[in-house]
Amino acid sequence: GENVEQHPSTLSVQEGDSAVIKCTYSDSASNYFPWYKQELGKRPQLIIDIRSNVGEKKDQRIAVTLNKTAKHFSLHITETQPEDSAVYFCAATLWGNEKLTFGTGTRLTIIP
Amino acid sequence: EPEVTQTPSHQVTQMGQEVILRCVPISNHLYFYWYRQILGQKVEFLVSFYNNEISEKSEIFDDQFSVERPDGSNFTLKIRSTKLEDSAMYFCASRAVADTQYFGPGTRLTVL
Repeated sequence: GENVEQHPSTLSVQEGDSAVIKCTYSDSASNYFPWYKQELGKRPQLIIDIRSNVGEKKDQRIAVTLNKTAKHFSLHITETQPEDSAVYFCAATLWGNEKLTFGTGTRLTIIP
Repeated sequence: EPEVTQTPSHQVTQMGQEVILRCVPISNHLYFYWYRQILGQKVEFLVSFYNNEISEKSEIFDDQFSVERPDGSNFTLKIRSTKLEDSAMYFCASRAVADTQYFGPGTRLTVL
C-alpha cells in the first residue's frame, strides 16, 4: 500500500519568511496529493491540492510542486504570518480511491 | 458553506463499553469515511462506505468496529467493546463524486 513520508516534523520560521514542507510517496499509481492544515483541536482543512497532470499549483501565498518521477511533492508558504502556525499534513491517493494516506505532519511555528 | 458535523465532540467511556460516534455528512455527498488520529500522531484511515456498504477498510478496523447509515443523513461508527488504545480523535469525512474529502470537527474519544 501507499506510504507517505513527511519532513521536517517541526519547522520554525520568522514572520515574513518562507516555509517549505516536503513529502515523498511510494505508490507510483497515486495521482492526487492534498495538503491539510490542522489547528489545535480542530478538523483538518484542505488548503491546496494537486493532481499529477500538473507540476505546480499556486493559490495566493501557498503553492505546491510535484515531481512525479521522483515521487515527491512540496508545500511552499511565502510571506508567512502568525495565523499560518498549525500542523500541516500531506496526503496521497489514487483519485477516486477510497482512502487518503497521510504523512506524519509538520508543526509549523511562525515567530513574530 | 455546508460542513460535515459530528456528535458528540467529546465522549468518555469505560473500557469494555460500547460507543457510537455520529456524523452528518454534507447532504449531496455519496462517499463516507472514518479516520482516527491518536494524540500527536498522523491521521489514519479506518473505513470507507458507499452505496450502503463498506468499500474499503484498514487493518485497524477489526470486528470490534462497525459502520452504519441508519437513515438518509446520519453515518455512525460503533465500537463494541472499547479498549484503552481506542482513545483518539475520530474524524468523519465525506465527498461528492469527483471531489475531495471534507472532514468533520472530530469526536475525542477517551477510554478509561
